[in-house]
Amino acid sequence: AQKVTQAQTEISVVEKEDVTLDCVYETRDTTYYLFWYKQPPSGELVFLIRRNSFDEQNEISGRYSWNFQKSTSSFNFTITASQVVDSAVYFCALRGPTKDAGNMLTFGGGTRLMVKP
Amino acid sequence: SQTIHQWPATLVQPVGSPLSLECTVEGTSNPNLYWYRQAAGRGLQLLFYSVGIGQISSEVPQNLSASRPQDRQFILSSKKLLLSDSGFYLCAWSGGAPRYGYTFGSGTRLTVV
Repeated sequence: AQKVTQAQTEISVVEKEDVTLDCVYETRDTTYYLFWYKQPPSGELVFLIRRNSFDEQNEISGRYSWNFQKSTSSFNFTITASQVVDSAVYFCALRGPTKDAGNMLTFGGGTRLMVKP
Repeated sequence: SQTIHQWPATLVQPVGSPLSLECTVEGTSNPNLYWYRQAAGRGLQLLFYSVGIGQISSEVPQNLSASRPQDRQFILSSKKLLLSDSGFYLCAWSGGAPRYGYTFGSGTRLTVV
């Protein structure tokens, strides 16, 4: 069975601070896909990034960066120089390799990030 | 491009009243469709998913039901709402390939009073 754990339920930072959101996953699959979603106060989940298990290269997109470490089953998300607009709930998710109907996204419990001015 | 529409955006319903939330997807065929619920300050709970017309799988037993009368239409219903049905309901779709995540609708905030 798959499992995604986001141990930090809530994080509060002051604007311009860097912040890292942790994500640890469990799976027996050797091929799998990891995702991060952002849920701003409006409620809609917005896709941020996808990473497949055979590509451990870290990725940077502007102030966002992701650190995928297969050895520790972690896929952490760092926001550099946080801004108030980054305040949201962030979800990490995992999906297995098959096209079976039961192969669904497994979500972590989410981390609420509050960036104060 | 694919888009997903979900309505209404907000809904206030009395206890015991019926419910119908609709979700439609454009720009793709035979999508996998999902209904999630999110209680205030909580995570995402998968309620139903569908891989084709008339095919519905339920993840949690409750007084909600789902139907898929058309390929790109997914409806969440209840005959009699309970206070505990309040929450934020999200519809999502995905392609068959697992490398794709889900694309979510904008959600419906349901308050049962």
